[in-house]
Amino acid sequence: DAGVIQSPRHEVTEMGQEVTLRCKPISGHDYLFWYRQTMMRGLELLIYFNNNVPIDDSGMPEDRFSAKMPNASFSTLKIQPSEPRDSAVYFCASRGRGQPQHFGDGTRLSIL
Amino acid sequence: QQQVKQSPQSLIVQKGGISIINCAYENTAFDYFPWYQQFPGKGPALLIAIRPDVSEKKEGRFTISFNKSAKQFSLHIMDSQPGDSATYFCAASRNNAGNMLTFGGGTRLMVKP
Repeated sequence: DAGVIQSPRHEVTEMGQEVTLRCKPISGHDYLFWYRQTMMRGLELLIYFNNNVPIDDSGMPEDRFSAKMPNASFSTLKIQPSEPRDSAVYFCASRGRGQPQHFGDGTRLSIL
Repeated sequence: QQQVKQSPQSLIVQKGGISIINCAYENTAFDYFPWYQQFPGKGPALLIAIRPDVSEKKEGRFTISFNKSAKQFSLHIMDSQPGDSATYFCAASRNNAGNMLTFGGGTRLMVKP
C-alpha cells in the first residue's frame, strides 16, 4: 500500500502565478478530500469527491481555487492567480467505504 | 455551530505519565469523533475513533472518553513515551461516515525522557 501520494512536496512561487497541486489516492478508495492547514485557521476541509464527482466545495475559499478529479487515481487543486495568503500546507486524503481518511504528507506552498 | 474546541494548545508530560487532551463540540448532530496524530512533515494519521453510543474506547495505551450530555470527549495517553511527542487533533463529523471532518485546533505534546 503506497499511501496517498502528493506532489510536489514543496512549491515556492511568486504572487500571481498559477499553482497546481497533485494527488494520487489509495487504489480502491472512492472518496478524496483536499485540506488546507495554517497556523491561524488550523486544518480546514476545502472540497471532497465521491466517485470522481465533487460533493461539497463549501470550504473552497474563493473562485481562484478549483479542484478536479478526472479519474479515480488522480486529482488536482489549482490556484490561479496565487496570493501570499494562500501560503499553507495542503493535504490530500482518501478513504474507502467504511474506512477512515488516510492523509498524504502534504504540499508546503509558499507564495512570495 | 460547526466548531470543535480543543485544549490545551500545548502539553509537556514526563515519560511514563498520563497525557490528557480535551475537546468540546456544539453541534449535537455530530456522530463520529476521531483523533489524529501528526508528526512534523507528515500528514495526520488516525489514532482512534469513537461513536456516541459508547462512553469509552481503549486501544493499547490510548483511550477516548466520551460525555454526550456535556458534549465533550477526551484522549488519554497512558504511560506516555517520547515517541508520542507529536501534534494531536480531535475531529467530529455528522451523518456521513467521517467525510466532512471539523478539526480542533490541535495540541502539541512533548514527552520528556
